[in-house]
Amino acid sequence: AQKVTQAQTEISVVEKEDVTLDCVYETRDTTYYLFWYKQPPSGELVFLIRRNSFDEQNEISGRYSWNFQKSTSSFNFTITASQVVDSAVYFCALRGFNDYKLSFGAGTTVTVRA
Amino acid sequence: DAGVIQSPRHEVTEMGQEVTLRCKPISGHDYLFWYRQTMMRGLELLIYFNNNVPIDDSGMPEDRFSAKMPNASFSTLKIQPSEPRDSAVYFCASSFRRGRDTDTQYFGPGTRLTVL
Repeated sequence: AQKVTQAQTEISVVEKEDVTLDCVYETRDTTYYLFWYKQPPSGELVFLIRRNSFDEQNEISGRYSWNFQKSTSSFNFTITASQVVDSAVYFCALRGFNDYKLSFGAGTTVTVRA
Repeated sequence: DAGVIQSPRHEVTEMGQEVTLRCKPISGHDYLFWYRQTMMRGLELLIYFNNNVPIDDSGMPEDRFSAKMPNASFSTLKIQPSEPRDSAVYFCASSFRRGRDTDTQYFGPGTRLTVL
């Protein structure tokens, strides 16, 4: 069974601060895939990134960066110099190699204040 | 390219009524997923299809729920009769898989269902 834990329920920051969202996962699969999705106040789910378990390179995309550490089963997400438009619920998700079901964490609500 | 399209975006109905939610996946995608999002249970998979065939419906809550995919570009999720506890946001997602590479599920905007 796959399990994703996002221990932080809510995070509130002032604009331009950095914010890091934690994601810890559990799986018995040796090959698996990790995802982050963003759900803004409008409600849609927006795909941000996919990471394969066999690729431990960290990734940066603009103000977003992801830190994948297999040794600690974590896939953390950092928003640098946060902006009000970053206010959303962020979900971490996990999928096993032979599984098509995405197991989502409970989500972290990020509020960026001007 | 158009993303996943869902209709209606909002649905308000009375208990006992039939509700039909619709989804058009991204063209070329061969997997289609129906999820439900509630405050209590978060995001949960209801059912998914591969090449229009239902593969796993173990997440469908009960017999009142049914889903069909008559062709590659259309799917429906039906609730009959609806109950207040069915109130939730229902998402449709689609993906494709090629070889060893996994798919990425792209979500539609969701249908917010309220059953009074």
